[in-house]
Amino acid sequence: DVKVTQSSRYLVKRTGEKVFLECVQDMDHENMFWYRQDPGLGLRLIYFSYDVKMKEKGDIPEGYSVSREKKERFSLILESASTNQTSMYLCAGTRNMNTEAFFGQGTRLTVV
Amino acid sequence: AQSVTQPDIHITVSEGASLELRCNYSYGATPYLFWYVQSPGQGLQLLLKYFSGDTLVQGIKGFEAEFKRSQSSFNLRKPSVHWSDAAEYFCAVGARYGNKLVFGAGTILRVKS
Repeated sequence: DVKVTQSSRYLVKRTGEKVFLECVQDMDHENMFWYRQDPGLGLRLIYFSYDVKMKEKGDIPEGYSVSREKKERFSLILESASTNQTSMYLCAGTRNMNTEAFFGQGTRLTVV
Repeated sequence: AQSVTQPDIHITVSEGASLELRCNYSYGATPYLFWYVQSPGQGLQLLLKYFSGDTLVQGIKGFEAEFKRSQSSFNLRKPSVHWSDAAEYFCAVGARYGNKLVFGAGTILRVKS
């Protein structure tokens, strides 16, 4: 069975903390994505990566960074968490742009 | 850069009625187009996709979508809605030249009996 796995379903962090969200895929995906999902705003692309050590900004990269040291792992980093980063975060992977994207189960992050 | 607009935030239809969810995209070339569905508390599931060829594509659960290049649209349709279709629907556009996958804001479908 194909899998994209996010390390946590729920996280509660304090303002100013550095937060790491981890995503691991076992599907040999070339492309990996981080989105945040907010009611009424849909899925907004934060960052994506099309190869190891390669990354590109999405539509809302401010306050975030990413790391892809290995093909199967794509990490999202909140350098200094703020309350406006409270959201659902979704990781996805796809082998090619004309194939289905597979999503992780999501991480609901609350920053207090 | 590509973008997706789903003009309808909420749609309510009666069970058994037909459904059309709208999607407009912006991209400089012919895009890859997708519709995903998300049931409450669930992940996203692919309904159908368009890459090339026949502009009317069939998907799972009785859904279909039509790519209209002249209108930059990829509307999702179903002839008869079931109560289990109540969910949020997302249109997405993938870059044919590049690696970016962008989603619309979603349309929440409510089905009334």
